[in-house]
Amino acid sequence: EVQLVQSGAEVKKPGESLRISCKGSGYSFTTYWISWVRQMPGIGLEWMGRIDPSDSYTNYSPPFQGHVTISADKSITTAYLQWKSLKASDTAVYYCARHAPGYIISSWLDPWGQGTLVTVSS
Amino acid sequence: ETVMTQSPATLSVSPGERATLSCRASQRVSSDLAWYQQKPGQAPRLLIYGASTRATGIPARFSGRGSGTEFTLTLSSLQSEDFAVYYCQQYNNWPQTFGQGTKVEIK
Repeated sequence: EVQLVQSGAEVKKPGESLRISCKGSGYSFTTYWISWVRQMPGIGLEWMGRIDPSDSYTNYSPPFQGHVTISADKSITTAYLQWKSLKASDTAVYYCARHAPGYIISSWLDPWGQGTLVTVSS
Repeated sequence: ETVMTQSPATLSVSPGERATLSCRASQRVSSDLAWYQQKPGQAPRLLIYGASTRATGIPARFSGRGSGTEFTLTLSSLQSEDFAVYYCQQYNNWPQTFGQGTKVEIK
């Protein structure tokens, strides 16, 4: 079974750093890009960026460029989303999701991880 | 970026009835459009890709159509488990973008 399993909920203070993870299993991890998607409370879905786990090449959506870092460790089939300095406005659920293979620009996302709730509050 | 606009924001439907959801793109996206279902506290689930191809395990009562800038998702006979929020996503233009969602609620 193809699965993406994310790390657990986090509670952080503004200015703190954080890295959340997404472990893929049941498929060839390096064949499929992984994207991260943000869902703020009561709001829709926002695509943040993606990584090619085979070579760690990344693309970011402009609003997120420079504020988060996406990385991957193919030896343990895990992708990461990292912040150096969190803000209260980063409070959201973050999902990782797998792309379909073979698309140049992007693709549909399937499956999705279960989501990681990040709460940033002083 | 390509703005995806879904309508209506909320759709009130009785079980067994048909529901039609719309998604409009601000620029042409060919048939590179997907639909997702999200229930409270759950991750989105892929329903449709390529505008009209059902994902694995998705019942035939879900159907998608359209190309270019206008797309629809039809739920032919709503079941209790279909009441949820539905999102469209275009993946033809960079960056990929989602619509704001349509909530299908019980009438």
